[in-house]
Amino acid sequence: DVKVTQSSRYLVKRTGEKVFLECVQDMDHENMFWYRQDPGLGLRLIYFSYDVKMKEKGDIPEGYSVSREKKERFSLILESASTNQTSMYLCASSPTGGEFTGELFFGEGSRLTVL
Amino acid sequence: KNEVEQSPQNLTAQEGEFITINCSYSVGISALHWLQQHPGGGIVSLFMLSSGKKKHGRLIATINIQEKHSSLHITASHPRDSAVYICAVRSMYFGNEKLTFGTGTRLTIIP
Repeated sequence: DVKVTQSSRYLVKRTGEKVFLECVQDMDHENMFWYRQDPGLGLRLIYFSYDVKMKEKGDIPEGYSVSREKKERFSLILESASTNQTSMYLCASSPTGGEFTGELFFGEGSRLTVL
Repeated sequence: KNEVEQSPQNLTAQEGEFITINCSYSVGISALHWLQQHPGGGIVSLFMLSSGKKKHGRLIATINIQEKHSSLHITASHPRDSAVYICAVRSMYFGNEKLTFGTGTRLTIIP
């Protein structure tokens, strides 16, 4: 089974702190995604990456950056956390080609609270 | 108007009932996903379909491309089916593939 692992399930940070959310997948997927989920808004795409060292902005990239130094790892960085970044963050991966092309595999989510 | 609309937003039913959750979308799509999110946050992909019908156990997903509508059915519902069900559509946006999510349907099955 594909496994997407997010490093922290729950985090509490203070305004202005730098926050790292890590995501690792074990199925050699090319594509990785970071979403945030807020009540009534559905999942919104922050950033995605279709290859090592490649990154593309999603719908709401402001206040975030990402890093993909290795194929299996996609990190989301909040340079200076703010209270409006309190949310559930979900990482996903997806293969290009093969039996599961286009299928999405999600991590368990990281619930971030910024005080 | 959102590109992806789900109905109902909340659904409570008795164990054993037949459940239908609907998804309507307004754009041309290449595929539609049905996802399940349990309390605690993790999301599982149930189906990805671009035409017709797919079945997995007690779950059935159908799509009508002409009407821009999909349904997720659960037969013989069980309390463990209680979750949020999310519809997402895959479409092209300025040459790039884009995934747009509905806001979900919260299903509660009472024993």
